[in-house]
This record gives sequence, structure tokens and C-alpha cells, in this order.
Amino acid sequence: DTAVSQTPKYLVTQMGNDKSIKCEQNLGHDTMYWYKQDSKKFLKIMFSYNNKELIINETVPNRFSPKSPDKAHLNLHINSLELGDSAVYFCASSQEGHNEQFFGPGTRLTVL
Amino acid sequence: GDSVTQMEGPVTLSEEACLTINCTYTATGYPSLFWYVQYPGEGLQLLLKATKADDKGSNKGFEATYRKETTSFHLEKGSVQVSDSAVYFCALSEGNEKLTFGTGTRLTIIP
Repeated sequence: DTAVSQTPKYLVTQMGNDKSIKCEQNLGHDTMYWYKQDSKKFLKIMFSYNNKELIINETVPNRFSPKSPDKAHLNLHINSLELGDSAVYFCASSQEGHNEQFFGPGTRLTVL
Repeated sequence: GDSVTQMEGPVTLSEEACLTINCTYTATGYPSLFWYVQYPGEGLQLLLKATKADDKGSNKGFEATYRKETTSFHLEKGSVQVSDSAVYFCALSEGNEKLTFGTGTRLTIIP
């Protein structure tokens, strides 16, 4: 029944590793997003996809690469992880023509 | 560009006190305005929204009115409960695009 789900919920890894976070939504929405929440709780958009097409790409290092295999999934792959990547990453989705976004539970990434 | 400024926290209140969390915004067009809530250890949930000037959003006893003249969307509740303890985010969106968030306000309600 979960509308927007993310896996894993927690991810602890070493600097320099490559990791992926997965997101799925079963709401039939057209648009999906990734947000980053830092240690001070500040939330910032990273990427947005509409029907598998990238429409927003904020100033995010190119070590971050989103991939959308279909419109229900938006995964986030991160290469060469750095300490500063430690944060909570939230996936969200919305229906075209509606501006309400539905959020996943978040993935807490800790880079050691 | 768009921005949202909200009241710095943390805010600590006693149960049944009145709450106001201030939020003002800057936008180029006519944004939709939102309040999201994040309970401890959880993701964000939409609390209420307003899509045009003078609209009032309300949910769970919380209210906020879209004031174009003062570019504000202050969150209010007449009598808070311990279960309202959370982080509250004001946000705006222009079109079906990204949400721009304020910095969040941590609210703690003491019994």
C-alpha cells in the first residue's frame, strides 16, 4: 500500500564507494524527484524526471546520476562517495497538472 | 529566483498553547504554497496547501492563509498537542515543478 517507497532506509558506506538508492511510486504519477536534506534539515531539489525525461538538474556534482527505467521508478546512483554526501535523500512524485508532491520515507546515507 | 523564509526555531510550547510559525516568500509568478510536516524519523507529509491569493488551507486544526499583499503564508493552530511535535516546512511551487523549501522550524510541545 506504500505510495512512494525507497530502499534502503539506511546506508552506511566508506568514502570512495559507489552506491545506489532506489525509489518506486505506485500512484501512477508522471513526475518524480530527488531531494537532499542536510544535517540542519535543509531540503533542496536535486533532480526531477517527467515520463522518464530529465527536466530539472540542479547544480549537483556529476558523481550523482539519476536513472529512470520507467515512469514508476527513479533511482539515484552515486559514484566516489564523499563525506559531504552524508544526508537524508528523499524521493517524491507528483501528477502532471497537480503541484502536490508525495514523499517517500527517506534514505539516510552515512559516508565514513 | 524563488525563496522561502520561515521562522527560525526551535519553538517550544506548552500543550494547548497557540501556535504561529511565520513564513514569507519571494516568487516571480503566482506560486502555490504549502506546509509540510516531518515527524521524528519519518518522511515529509503534506499538511495543507493554498493555490491562489486569499485561499485558506486547513488540516488537523492547522490553518494558513495565502496573503499576496504581504507575500506570507503563516501557519497557525489554536491549541497544540504533544503529538504536533515535529519539524514544519513552508514551501512554494511554480507550476508542476520543484518545491522550494524554507529552512524548517522544529516544534516541541511540552505536556
